[in-house]
Amino acid sequence: GQNIDQPTEMTATEGAIVQINCTYQTSGFNGLFWYQQHAGEAPTFLSYNVLDGLEEKGRFSSFLSRSKGYSYLLLKELQMKDSASYLCAALDSNYQLIWGAGTKLIIKP
Amino acid sequence: GAVVSQHPSRVICKSGTSVKIECRSLDFQATTMFWYRQFPKKSLMLMATSNEGSKATYEQGVEKDKFLINHASLTLSTLTVTSAHPEDSSFYICSARDQVPSFENEQFFGPGTRLTVL
Repeated sequence: GQNIDQPTEMTATEGAIVQINCTYQTSGFNGLFWYQQHAGEAPTFLSYNVLDGLEEKGRFSSFLSRSKGYSYLLLKELQMKDSASYLCAALDSNYQLIWGAGTKLIIKP
Repeated sequence: GAVVSQHPSRVICKSGTSVKIECRSLDFQATTMFWYRQFPKKSLMLMATSNEGSKATYEQGVEKDKFLINHASLTLSTLTVTSAHPEDSSFYICSARDQVPSFENEQFFGPGTRLTVL
């Protein structure tokens, strides 16, 4: 079956760095997405990786290892507004998104 | 950037009534739109994939006669929850994929519709 695993909740301190891990098992693979979702709102796109390696976008970076079925989202210089759920989603061979349950990130002052 | 709108943002209705939710791509044409449902603290659950001009493809366990989907144009898809019951109360989100797919194969999400059935 298809499966996405990511931690349920993480806590970090304002100004610090946090890494949110995601492992996936899908029928075929056409890339991995990270989305940010604030409570009561729709997800917003953060990153897309289809090749191995690290993609950096400002304070956010995303890493992919296809051979390990593994990705992480790295958030630097954490701000209070980064408190949200972070959703990992893999695109399978039919170009359908398989969603993880999301990681709730709590930022403390 | 690509914008997707949803209407209404919130709706409260009585049990047994039908509710229509609209999803529009505002600045691009979307041959494919997706309808998701999300329960509190849960992940997004794909309900159906809607292709312009053809019947929607429903995920296993989703009743097509209860959740009617119409994708009449390249910019509009509608989801109608028929004979709604309290267990249908949820956050419904649509997304759209550009007719001209980007390298990122990105789906653009609408802001969601909060449905409460009394």
